[in-house]
Amino acid sequence: ETGVTQSPTHLIKTRGQQVTLRCSSQSGHNTVSWYQQALGQGPQFIFQYYREEENGRGNFPPRFSGLQFPNYSSELNVNALELDDSALYLCASSPDPDTQETQYFGPGTRLLVL
Amino acid sequence: AQSVTQLGSHVSVSEGALVLLRCNYSSSVPPYLFWYVQYPNQGLQLLLKYTSAATLVKGINGFEAEFKKSETSFHLTKPSAHMSDAAEYFCALGVSSNTGKLIFGQGTTLQVKP
Repeated sequence: ETGVTQSPTHLIKTRGQQVTLRCSSQSGHNTVSWYQQALGQGPQFIFQYYREEENGRGNFPPRFSGLQFPNYSSELNVNALELDDSALYLCASSPDPDTQETQYFGPGTRLLVL
Repeated sequence: AQSVTQLGSHVSVSEGALVLLRCNYSSSVPPYLFWYVQYPNQGLQLLLKYTSAATLVKGINGFEAEFKKSETSFHLTKPSAHMSDAAEYFCALGVSSNTGKLIFGQGTTLQVKP
């Protein structure tokens, strides 16, 4: 069974640029959640996708957007990058969107904005 | 509003000693509670979860946690620390009204001394 994978592992961008991060969910999972983890902090919920539709969103501006594809993989897009966007971005998949379901996390993408 | 507080950003124990990591939550509805562990440069791995069944929850690697509603706590314990337990530990809260959203604490770094 393949776990959650994310790409790229590391990324360096400059302020104002756009970035796309990718996530492949675990086999059999139809739900993907994205989290931002700033250095020394706990992860913060960005949004969740369930069967290709956004299914909940945290307190992040609209320049954070996402997609989920028919194979349940997902993308996180961030436009107009700001220095504070530097963080570890974690993707988690689960078998359904119920909050009591375990979310299985990928290794993350570390984004540095200069 | 829901929130999670982890008491103590750093905990240091000797190998073989009891591990106690504290987590308190605030929620107006019945909570689901999770403990995750994060090793350096890795994603989060689930240790255990409480989803309104037994209040004493046993997890992987010898960890367990007890849900105490009266104290709004979900502390993580392990009778005997091992060097390999050194990592960052996160307590997380989910509620059924916040589909898919986990609210994480700030994390506790566990140091295990030989």
